Amino acid sequence: QSVLTQPPSVSAAPGQKVTISCSGSSSNIGNNYVSWYQQLPGTAPKLLIYENNKRPSGIPDQFSGSKSGTSATLGITGLKTGDEADYFCGTWDSSLSAGVFGGGTKLTVL
Amino acid sequence: EVQLVESGGGLVQPGRSLRLSCAVSGFTFDDYAMHWVRQAPGKGLEWVSGISWNSGRIGYADSVRGRFTISRDNAKNSLYLQMNSLRAEDTALYYCGKDMEGGLGYCMVDNWGQGTLVTVSS
Repeated sequence: QSVLTQPPSVSAAPGQKVTISCSGSSSNIGNNYVSWYQQLPGTAPKLLIYENNKRPSGIPDQFSGSKSGTSATLGITGLKTGDEADYFCGTWDSSLSAGVFGGGTKLTVL
Repeated sequence: EVQLVESGGGLVQPGRSLRLSCAVSGFTFDDYAMHWVRQAPGKGLEWVSGISWNSGRIGYADSVRGRFTISRDNAKNSLYLQMNSLRAEDTALYYCGKDMEGGLGYCMVDNWGQGTLVTVSS
């Protein structure tokens, strides 16, 4: 079982918006920055969001992040079939002194 | 261009050892913390270990503590993972990742290698 909880799957139609949740605790999300990663099939993960809501250069504003208390959310607007991927949240857990990831959410663009 | 290239994976019998390496280029290696993250076939990401810029702080997942040892050689721009007493459940693609910070305690991995596959089987 992952320390961070994500829904196994989400789906939406092309052009629509979807949100992916990531739930944790005070020892991880509640007191540390959250990152989000996209993993396209057969490729390495790619950083989409860091420090809860910042986008690295080159990441379109189609992707957004937010955090409230011990939960975080990734938002994706203007969905395209090319956005179909696995999405993972990650952070540091101060009690475990370890990095932690969510179990991942598979996005399907119908 | 930032590059991280893992090597050292392969097929190994249970109980044996393996050493992974990650050669990096394109950034000032000794400014940043580094991580090993693994992904078992068809599964999610699992953080394995991390090391601060100067090796002053090191962390391990409970699943590997006492068996794996992370290290880095800043003069050689290289990260390592010594894996002992390997188990079938260690079978995974092992990624090397660069943190955005130098200290250990953030786990914001902005650059990833392509991974090296470790298969533990008799």
